[in-house]
Amino acid sequence: NAGVTQTPKFRILKIGQSMTLQCTQDMNHNYMYWYRQDPGMGLKLIYYSVGAGITDKGEVPNGYNVSRSTTEDFPLRLELAAPSQTSVYFCASILTGNTEAFFGQGTRLTVV
Amino acid sequence: QKEVEQNSGPLSVPEGAIASLNCTYSDRVSQSFFWYRQYSGKSPELIMSIYSNGDKEDGRFTAQLNKASQYVSLLIRDSQPSDSATYLCAVSLTGGGADGLTFGKGTHLIIQP
Repeated sequence: NAGVTQTPKFRILKIGQSMTLQCTQDMNHNYMYWYRQDPGMGLKLIYYSVGAGITDKGEVPNGYNVSRSTTEDFPLRLELAAPSQTSVYFCASILTGNTEAFFGQGTRLTVV
Repeated sequence: QKEVEQNSGPLSVPEGAIASLNCTYSDRVSQSFFWYRQYSGKSPELIMSIYSNGDKEDGRFTAQLNKASQYVSLLIRDSQPSDSATYLCAVSLTGGGADGLTFGKGTHLIIQP
């Protein structure tokens, strides 16, 4: 049972490039989330999804897009990367009716 | 805007002593409260959840909730060096599912051997 898997673990992007952060979970969780964590800060919610085909904005959605075509996958798309998007990105999932969030190992992104 | 406030620390506690971590939240209708532990370079892991006023104990950990004061705390008894980490307080308007979690900045705890 792999849990929540994020790829890649590390990435360096140039300003203006785009990329997709991948997140997949094998626990059949309906709820999935993307957070970012800047140094010395807590996690901020970017986007979330309560099920396949349903997504919604969190606290800091600007510059990002998501899709949820399957229960398992919740990719995060960065278009036109900016230095302000340098951060550690965490994907998480929760089983409906439960409260424990399971986090992936994170993706450390640097935009230069 | 929902806010969760924590003292960033570092909080230094001798081994074997009680570590006390505090958190306040701004949204009075918040329903669910969580403490996550995060080791440096790692992802957060849930250590306690609490939903009603009072105390909840799990091993060496006790979570305390006071909704009237909008205050959550975490006590760690018999602190061990392995408890050294950043502790994140998180709050949800619901059960932590549909609306996601609002996190504080975290308190950096150091247990001195």
